Amino acid sequence: GEDVEQSLFLSVREGDSSVINCTYTDSSSTYLYWYKQEPGAGLQLLTYIFSNMDMKQDQRLTVLLNKKDKHLSLRIADTQTGDSAIYFCADLLLRGCNAGNMLTFGGGTRLMVKP
Amino acid sequence: DTEVTQTPKHLVMGMTNKKSLKCEQHMGHRAMYWYKQKAKKPPELMFVYSYEKLSINESVPSRFSPECPNSSLLNLHLHALQPEDSALYLCASSQSGLAGGGTDTQYFGPGTRLTVL
Repeated sequence: GEDVEQSLFLSVREGDSSVINCTYTDSSSTYLYWYKQEPGAGLQLLTYIFSNMDMKQDQRLTVLLNKKDKHLSLRIADTQTGDSAIYFCADLLLRGCNAGNMLTFGGGTRLMVKP
Repeated sequence: DTEVTQTPKHLVMGMTNKKSLKCEQHMGHRAMYWYKQKAKKPPELMFVYSYEKLSINESVPSRFSPECPNSSLLNLHLHALQPEDSALYLCASSQSGLAGGGTDTQYFGPGTRLTVL
């Protein structure tokens, strides 16, 4: 089955850039997502990228996709203390007509931003 | 508006109780999802409803019973739960559960924190 992996932990100083990495195994992936989860909260959609794109930028967020290596990254510029959270990458699997679509999540990367 | 609401926010129940979790969205989405999330783990899919019909049941024990009364509402009925069922229960919705076209992005609610004593 599909496997999505992330590093567990990242610590950066306020104002620095953060780069969170993710690898996946399914070569038929269509969309890849980044979600943010703050303590005790639900998942907040940050951004997504279609599999035929290499890069997508949205304000402080830059997503890079290397489809050949099945590697996805999320760069947060000028990281702030409010960015401290768990970041999940997720891969969308299309299961066919009327079957519902499934997200396969990575294990999550805990980002700690130090003042 | 991309809001999914869930009630209650917190729930404490005994192993003999019957309770229900509720989820609502008004985005016109036709697919709705229940996930279970344990601490420091990613969400695990439980059920998917597509056009108000159950399309995926990820081998969830029968003490969890989903219900989709209409396209905006999703319930999860709980009965005879075990302490290991304590977790954050997340609801999500997406435009369509059908294959093809569009991102089918899932939007999540804030979750219900369930504690089973």
